[in-house]
Amino acid sequence: KNQVEQSPQSLIILEGKNCTLQCNYTVSPFSNLRWYKQDTGRGPVSLTIMTFSENTKSNGRYTATLDADTKQSSLHITASQLSDSASYICVVPQTGANNLFFGTGTRLTVIP
Amino acid sequence: GAGVSQSPSNKVTEKGKDVELRCDPISGHTALYWYRQSLGQGLEFLIYFQGNSAPDKSGLPSDRFSAERTGGSVSTLTIQRTQQEDSAVYLCASSLSSGLDTDTQYFGPGTRLTVL
Repeated sequence: KNQVEQSPQSLIILEGKNCTLQCNYTVSPFSNLRWYKQDTGRGPVSLTIMTFSENTKSNGRYTATLDADTKQSSLHITASQLSDSASYICVVPQTGANNLFFGTGTRLTVIP
Repeated sequence: GAGVSQSPSNKVTEKGKDVELRCDPISGHTALYWYRQSLGQGLEFLIYFQGNSAPDKSGLPSDRFSAERTGGSVSTLTIQRTQQEDSAVYLCASSLSSGLDTDTQYFGPGTRLTVL
């Protein structure tokens, strides 16, 4: 069964601290994995796309990792800011199909 | 416009009524997708349009749901005889082409549908 699971479901951290969000997937065939940020009341915005050959990719304070062997990805946020408060969604397209599998997201709250 | 726009932003309707949701994709984007996001749930794929090809309707939950895309641009999602379980945020996204392997999807702000 094609699935994307994320943990934790929610997370509260102090401003300036780092955090790591996890994503496990069972989607097959697999070619890439995406992380999206969704602010409350807004549509998701792409943070990064990782292909199966990439292990690490950074976008500013966001660093994503991918282990295609264990089918795991993580999103690390460094020096968190209040504006990082959002839901972070892991998305895996099913290669060759017109379908994307979405995780339920991790709700991150950064407090001062 | 600079991004994907959707209207209305909010829609409250009575059970049994029909509703139409509109999506304006980014100009030049040939691929258009509709998703549904229920409270506490992940996004659920509904339907996919690519150019003038027949749409992929495999995600539509029932025959009460239908969608059109006129002229390869604007799309409308129609829900007939709405039920309370249809209450959700309906998101539209577009991308340059059908290459899901590499294309970034750009999402609209969504339409929040509430069925009373």
